[in-house]
Amino acid sequence: QKEVEQNSGPLSVPEGAIASLNCTYSDRGSQSFFWYRQYSGKSPELIMFIYSNGDKEDGRFTAQLNKASQYVSLLIRDSQPSDSATYLCAVNSFYGGSQGNLIFGKGTKLSVKP
Amino acid sequence: DAGVIQSPRHEVTEMGQEVTLRCKPISGHDYLFWYRQTMMRGLELLIYFNNNVPIDDSGMPEDRFSAKMPNASFSTLKIQPSEPRDSAVYFCASSRSRGYTFGSGTRLTVV
Repeated sequence: QKEVEQNSGPLSVPEGAIASLNCTYSDRGSQSFFWYRQYSGKSPELIMFIYSNGDKEDGRFTAQLNKASQYVSLLIRDSQPSDSATYLCAVNSFYGGSQGNLIFGKGTKLSVKP
Repeated sequence: DAGVIQSPRHEVTEMGQEVTLRCKPISGHDYLFWYRQTMMRGLELLIYFNNNVPIDDSGMPEDRFSAKMPNASFSTLKIQPSEPRDSAVYFCASSRSRGYTFGSGTRLTVV
């Protein structure tokens, strides 16, 4: 069974620090990797996607992918209290991630303290 | 664009009753997904459609659950009869490329 594993947290970081969120996946054939943010009581929203090994930066967010280690991470620089949410890692066996089953981890709860 | 629209936002029903959840995907999106989220199990895919055709319903927990997509702009998820263990947040999502866009969800409580 395809699985996506995340540390449930909570991960607590001070405002302005770097938050590092990690995810491992079991299906070596996975092609697309996504990070969603979910505020309490709200729906998940897509914040980053990555398809190739290496780093991808978007503003304060950097996604890192290592397919050999089956590992994907999300770094949040200059963390703000508004970043406090649950971060869901999701993996798809199709390139692009629009089709097929997007398998989600259970999420890591991040708390940014002022 | 109004995004993915789900209704109702909240539903409280008694065990044994029929429940129907509704979803309007984003126009032009050709994939539609129904997910269920609980604290214990996280987000689980129930079923997904491509161009209104069901592709994978292996996540549907049992025959009490059924889903339809009669056209590109509407889908329903029906539970009959409902049970307390069906209590969860049900999300609809649609996609054309690069991940999914989720609706606001329906919080279902079966008492």
